Amino acid sequence: SAVISQKPSRDICQRGTSLTIQCQVDSQVTMMFWYRQQPGQSLTLIATANQGSEATYESGFVIDKFPISRPNLTFSTLTVSNMSPEDSSIYLCSVEARRGTGELFFGEGSRLTVL
Amino acid sequence: GQQVMQIPQYQHVQEGEDFTTYCNSSTTLSNIQWYKQRPGGHPVFLIQLVKSGEVKKQKRLTFQFGEAKKNSSLHITATQTTDVGTYFCAGPGYNFNKFYFGSGTKLNVKP
Repeated sequence: SAVISQKPSRDICQRGTSLTIQCQVDSQVTMMFWYRQQPGQSLTLIATANQGSEATYESGFVIDKFPISRPNLTFSTLTVSNMSPEDSSIYLCSVEARRGTGELFFGEGSRLTVL
Repeated sequence: GQQVMQIPQYQHVQEGEDFTTYCNSSTTLSNIQWYKQRPGGHPVFLIQLVKSGEVKKQKRLTFQFGEAKKNSSLHITATQTTDVGTYFCAGPGYNFNKFYFGSGTKLNVKP
């Protein structure tokens, strides 16, 4: 298993500001995934964060808006830049603790409200 | 990413009734996973299916993977109020190291 700590758990932000979400895992993992879950919706994959290389973004998500860092095998950050009310969502960090099992472990999520 | 459709969107049942959610893909899946998300919580892994026609059981939950590996189902027998939540299927990306979630089925169980 994997234990994932995410910070902040929630925040209220002003339009135009940026917020960085931190994700700490209790074990070394190759890939970390960032998802967005808008109210009442499913999870949408934003990007895959690999240690030592640039993150791989999904269609509709760009690095300027969602810059990601992956400085080591246990930590990653996602920044939501120049926020607008449409960015209000829960952002979830996730890892596949054992490659090939398909078993994703999730952090508790960061609930962002943009005013 | 992978397109995985899920039906129904919502299901309201009386406690003790059965429940089924279906997941369909337009392409063949190498594997499929099922997750449960309780209200206010994060998704929790239930199971992974890999083989064509595979059936797995976890107590009152039965998971099936279609013969063509394009669809899957989760069936709950005799629902309980603890089954309340949203059930998601998830399929891998084309390079098999990403996970795309279905739209989810929200289950409400009336006591």
